[in-house]
Amino acid sequence: EDKVVQSPLSLVVHEGDTVTLNCSYEVTNFRSLLWYKQEKKAPTFLFMLTSSGIEKKSGRLSSILDKKELFSILNITATQTGDSAVYLCAVVTYSGGGADGLTFGKGTHLIIQP
Amino acid sequence: GAVVSQHPSWVICKSGTSVKIECRSLDFQATTMFWYRQFPKQSLMLMATSNEGSKATYEQGVEKDKFLINHASLTLSTLTVTSAHPEDSSFYICSGERTVGEQYFGPGTRLTVT
Repeated sequence: EDKVVQSPLSLVVHEGDTVTLNCSYEVTNFRSLLWYKQEKKAPTFLFMLTSSGIEKKSGRLSSILDKKELFSILNITATQTGDSAVYLCAVVTYSGGGADGLTFGKGTHLIIQP
Repeated sequence: GAVVSQHPSWVICKSGTSVKIECRSLDFQATTMFWYRQFPKQSLMLMATSNEGSKATYEQGVEKDKFLINHASLTLSTLTVTSAHPEDSSFYICSGERTVGEQYFGPGTRLTVT
């Protein structure tokens, strides 16, 4: 059974701090790893990672994948209250039958205090 | 770019009736669309993968006769909850796959069955 584990489950920090969110996985036929930010409604796409060691960056957010150790991290620097959200990690697997498999972690609930 | 819409945003229906939820990719063609369910304070659960022009692939435990999925075009997929019951009340989210592994989510539809 494919498994995606995120840690920590919940994190409270002060504005301006840097946070690192973790996502480890055990899946068969890995295709890609996705990060999403979910506030009150549906998740919004942040990054898709397919290759090890290549950092993806968008403003204060960055992410990297380690396919050997089977994990990814999402970094947020100089956090702002607007970064408060649940951050979801999902792994896409290739099923070979025409449909990709997709497994989500339980998410990390990040709270940024002013 | 990569916008996905859902209609309706919120629906309340009586037990025993059927409800149809539409998912549209507005500015890209989505060969594959996904349907998820999310309970309060829980992560997304994939219900089914829908490929345009073919039958949907349902995840284990999801009743295909209860949750009918149609993906008639590259920009539209529909989910019909048949003979809805209060336990079907949930937040239903769809996503469209723009490129392999890169999904964009709709805003979600809140279903309340009374």
